[in-house]
Amino acid sequence: DAGVIQSPRHEVTEMGQEVTLRCKPISGHNSLFWYRQTMMRGLELLIYFNNNVPIDDSGMPEDRFSAKMPNASFSTLKIQPSEPRDSAVYFCASSLEAGPSYEQYFGPGTRLTVT
Amino acid sequence: GDSVTQMEGPVTLSEEAFLTINCTYTATGYPSLFWYVQYPGEGLQLLLKATKADDKGSNKGFEATYRKETTSFHLEKGSVQVSDSAVYFCALRGDYKLSFGAGTTVTVRA
Repeated sequence: DAGVIQSPRHEVTEMGQEVTLRCKPISGHNSLFWYRQTMMRGLELLIYFNNNVPIDDSGMPEDRFSAKMPNASFSTLKIQPSEPRDSAVYFCASSLEAGPSYEQYFGPGTRLTVT
Repeated sequence: GDSVTQMEGPVTLSEEAFLTINCTYTATGYPSLFWYVQYPGEGLQLLLKATKADDKGSNKGFEATYRKETTSFHLEKGSVQVSDSAVYFCALRGDYKLSFGAGTTVTVRA
């Protein structure tokens, strides 16, 4: 299996622009997670989907952030408008099931820089 | 809520030295515990896991034992290599959510 695929790997944009991050989970996995990693806050869960349905979006920082999962093989995380404080590495992860014993497989991440 | 505390780094060691990274957790119920490793410029990779008390996870010479009485999951390796240089994250999963520690940067010098 190719693992979790994320694109782009690097994104540099100007403040105010829209940014869309993409994720393809591992085939057959029914749970998908978006995380953000920063030096200040470490790894934070932004949103969790189960069977394509958003279950917990309490980690989404504000209304500028939105996420969708239109089908089992694709998810997007959108930031509109972007701000410099959104600069971070964004990881997508997937899991076979939602239970605690199931490991989450992480993608390589998208490094976002907002200038 | 669930939380993980791990020893602060950075940790610098010589090759073949013994490595320990302490990790303690707070959780309700019976979480699963994980160690993830992040190499420079890469995503997180699962290193090992334990799903119940007294379980020992092991992989690539690393070991950690799920200690419910001390709420700990310390990572150990008997003889580190330069290739073990990375950031190590302790994490717990009570339901669907992974809660991570702050990460410990380990540098191994030849």
